[in-house]
Parts: sequence; C-alpha cells; structure tokens
Amino acid sequence: DAGVIQSPRHEVTEMGQEVTLRCKPISGHDYLFWYRQTMMRGLELLIYFNNNVPIDDSGMPEDRFSAKMPNASFSTLKIQPSEPRDSAVYFCASRRTKAFFGQGTRLTVV
Amino acid sequence: EDQVTQSPEALRLQEGESSSLNCSYTVSGLRGLFWYRQDPGKGPEFLFTLYSAGEEKEKERLKATLTKKESFLHITAPKPEDSATYLCAVGDSGGSNYKLTFGKGTLLTVNP
Repeated sequence: DAGVIQSPRHEVTEMGQEVTLRCKPISGHDYLFWYRQTMMRGLELLIYFNNNVPIDDSGMPEDRFSAKMPNASFSTLKIQPSEPRDSAVYFCASRRTKAFFGQGTRLTVV
Repeated sequence: EDQVTQSPEALRLQEGESSSLNCSYTVSGLRGLFWYRQDPGKGPEFLFTLYSAGEEKEKERLKATLTKKESFLHITAPKPEDSATYLCAVGDSGGSNYKLTFGKGTLLTVNP
C-alpha cells in the first residue's frame, strides 16, 4: 500500500481564495482524521470521520472550514475564504488499529 | 481541558550519549498515551501506545515508560538517524478515544 496520500504537497494562495486539500486514506481503514500543525499551537485535530460519517468537528476553527468524505477512499478539507492565519501544515491520517499520517500539505495564504 | 507539556523543547546529544525526553500530562481519565516520531517534511510516525501506569514499551534504542502524571521516552546510545521531533499525545476517557491532545514536541539532534 502507498500509505495515506495527500495533495497538493504545497499550496500558495491569496487571501480570500478558496482552497481545497485532498486525502486518499489507506484502503480498509475506517477512521479518517484531519489535523493542522503550526509552531505556535502544535498538532491540532480538526475533524474525524468513521465509515465516511463525520463524528467530531469541534476542532474546526470557523465556518470557513468544511470537510467531506463522499466515499471510503477520498476526503477533502476546504477553506473558503482563506486567510493568512490559516497558513499551516495540514495532515490527513487514517486508522484501523493505529493511525498512519500522510506527508501533509503546506498551505501558505498571502 | 487536557494538557500535554513536553520538555525539553530541544535536545542535542552526541552519538552514544543516552538521555530521556519528558511528557507531562493532565487528563480527566487517561485512555492511552501515544508517542510519535516526526521527520522534517513528513507526517508523524507511530512509535508506542501506553495505557496504564507502570507499563513500558521498547523498540530498538527507544523505551517508553508511563506514570500517573508523566511519560518518559528513554533513548539509549542514540545514533544520528534518531534525530527527529518526538511528539507525545494523550487520549481522554471522558471524550473521544481518537481526539488526541498533542504536545508541541521535543526536537532531538544527535551529532556523529
């Protein structure tokens, strides 16, 4: 298995633009997580899904953030409109018995 | 609110110089303490899970231990390839098992 695959690896966008981050989890994993990592706050859980259903989105910072999981092999995290303070590394992870993380998407909003 | 504090923030060792990293935590009920390793530009990689005080886990040069207030990651005779950021996280029995609270990590550098 190729592991958790995230795209793009890097994204630079202007403030106010819509940003969509993508994740393909490991086949057979029934949990999917979205995390955000910054120097100031470390690694924070934004939302997680179980069998494609959102279970806990209390970590989503604002209504500008939304996440979907239309099927077991794909999830998106969307920020609309983006702001400079959204700049961070966003990780997707999937799990059956233990969590595996993707390589992350480094988002820069200018 | 769950809290995880890791110390030191950064640690430099010479190859072969053993040391320990600390993870202090506050949770209403511990439902697992997790150690991860993170290399630059990569996602965290799972190392260990500890569930109860007194438990120990080992993997190569690493050994993790757990008390009721803290966990230690002991590194014995480290090598340069052990250089990474080590993250500690806790799961709270009062909340979701998967809503892990992470510390900010310890950046370990092992010089040859």
